[in-house]
Amino acid sequence: AQTVTQSQPEMSVQEAETVTLSCTYDTSENNYYLFWYKQPPSRQMILVIRQEAYKQQNATENRFSVNFQKAAKSFSLKISDSQLGDTAMYFCAFMKRSNTGKLIFGQGTTLQVKP
Amino acid sequence: EAGVAQSPRYKIIEKRQSVAFWCNPISGHATLYWYQQILGQGPKLLIQFQNNGVVDDSQLPKDRFSAERLKGVDSTLKIQPAKLEDSAVYLCASSSLTGQQDHYGYTFGSGTRLTVV
Repeated sequence: AQTVTQSQPEMSVQEAETVTLSCTYDTSENNYYLFWYKQPPSRQMILVIRQEAYKQQNATENRFSVNFQKAAKSFSLKISDSQLGDTAMYFCAFMKRSNTGKLIFGQGTTLQVKP
Repeated sequence: EAGVAQSPRYKIIEKRQSVAFWCNPISGHATLYWYQQILGQGPKLLIQFQNNGVVDDSQLPKDRFSAERLKGVDSTLKIQPAKLEDSAVYLCASSSLTGQQDHYGYTFGSGTRLTVV
């Protein structure tokens, strides 16, 4: 069975600074995807960034980038130039490459960006 | 395209009552998911449909929860009778993908917050 662990329940960062959220996972699969989702108070899960396990290159989406360490089973999210709108709950999620598309989520990290 | 629609947005019921949630996925999306998110935790998959067939319901408490997806479009999730521990946000999501296609994540709705008192 796969598990996803986020060890930081809460984080805070000053506006315009950089913050890194941690995520580790456990799996015996070799072919999978990893995701970071953002959940603001509106409750809707919004996809932030996606990484395919077979790709060595770290994914980047504007101010968001990941540090994917497959051997260490680590998948951290770096947010650069933090903005007040980045305040939200962030979830790391794992998906086995199969025909089901089931997401396994971590416990989440609450990020507060301070002005 | 319109997003995933869910209703109601909030619901408060007493324990042992029944409740139903409704989800309308993005038009044309074959796969529909229901997740349960207990406060302070990540979402957990309850049931997955592909068209109107069930793909995975291994974590659905079948003694009290039921779900259906008529005609492969809208879906309802029902709890009967509700327990205090069912208090959670119920998220619906949909995806256009089936089979082993590259997966780019799904589109989630805004969820229904259920409080059982």
